[in-house]
Order: sequence, then C-alpha cells, then structure tokens
Amino acid sequence: SQQGEEDPQALSIQEGENATMNCSYKTSINNLQWYRQNSGRGLVHLILIRSNEREKHSGRLRVTLDTSKKSSSLLITASRAADTASYFCATDAQGAQKLVFGQGTRLTINP
Amino acid sequence: GAGVSQSPSNKVTEKGKDVELRCDPISGHTALYWYRQSLGQGLEFLIYFQGNSAPDKSGLPSDRFSAERTGGSVSTLTIQRTQQEDSAVYLCASSLKSTETQYFGPGTRLLVL
Repeated sequence: SQQGEEDPQALSIQEGENATMNCSYKTSINNLQWYRQNSGRGLVHLILIRSNEREKHSGRLRVTLDTSKKSSSLLITASRAADTASYFCATDAQGAQKLVFGQGTRLTINP
Repeated sequence: GAGVSQSPSNKVTEKGKDVELRCDPISGHTALYWYRQSLGQGLEFLIYFQGNSAPDKSGLPSDRFSAERTGGSVSTLTIQRTQQEDSAVYLCASSLKSTETQYFGPGTRLLVL
C-alpha cells in the first residue's frame, strides 16, 4: 500500500478561493515533500517539511505536518488558474533511501 | 545550471521491440531515480542509484526492465520485448542526497503499439 495517500483525489474550485489538500502516511518519516505536476510531465518540488517542523510557508503555500496523526496538508491561498495541476506528497520512511509518492490530487481552478 | 534532461521526449515502438531511455542528471547529484507513471496515476518507483552502491531494483516490474548508470552520471533504462502495458511516461529524477529534494526531468512518453 502507498506510504503517502492524498485526499481528495480531485478538487475543483473557483479562482480566488483557497485549496486544501491532505496527505496521510503510515510509517515514521524524516521529511515530507509536496510536488506539483503540470500536463503529465516532470514534477516540480514545492516545499519540504521536516519531522520536527509543524508548519512551513512559501509564498501562497502553507504546509502543516502532524506527526501524531501521520498527516500533512497543503493550503494554496488565493488560487489562480495557473495553479491547475496535480499535487503529490512524498515521504521517506525512516531507514529507507527513497521517497514514496502518493497518487496525487488533481486540482482544477475555474476562472 | 542545467536541469535533468531525458531523451527521447516521445517514443513510439512496436510490441516486442527493445527501447532505451536516457537520463542526464544534474551534475554532482549522487542519487538518481527512475519512475513510471501511467495516465492519470501516481508515480511508480522503478529503480534507484546512489553513488557507487548497488542499485535498489525493487521496483522493476519484470526482468524485461533493466537500468544502468555509467560513471555515476548518465543512466539508461532499457525495456526488452516491450508490451502494450509498458506504455507510460517514464520519469527520471536526481538529488544531492537520497530522500532530499528531487529534481525531475520532463519525462519520456512511451507508446507501445
């Protein structure tokens, strides 16, 4: 089963609204990362949050991490049409040497 | 500096043929990964190289798949006797250290007819 699983699978909102995506994982981690993918091509790294951090900001992005619940959320504020993409979380299980990606959330921003 | 590059961008082949996909990682990155992504799906880990260590091949779906990394830099993913179910986008990524930020190439879209 997936180490990281995103929720919801798909999200459609109006431009200007906030978008929230969630990620749950199963084992202890060192860090959790969020990536964006446009048009089924390469992923772009958005933000990395370490296990000893609870919240991190980058521009209009806000990521939270709750290690007790093994979950993270990605908030995009004041969404724009250009934010339309798939968003993936990736986790590293402690002791593992690779990241495991979830299935992604497909975000659509309607103008 | 240059990012991760992959070639070809697109590859159409006939069932049963062999294909080679190439990945040029960012210079100095010791970790290199290959993933497969079917339409609308998440990333499926295939193989991971870290420096001179033996690669982690645990994600390769069958013995028709193999990969090598020459001189700790360029990597080639080879699929022998391709099947229609091999059709997907093959993504390569590199990072300075394993489990840190990964930098992805644009992918190779493979279509097996």
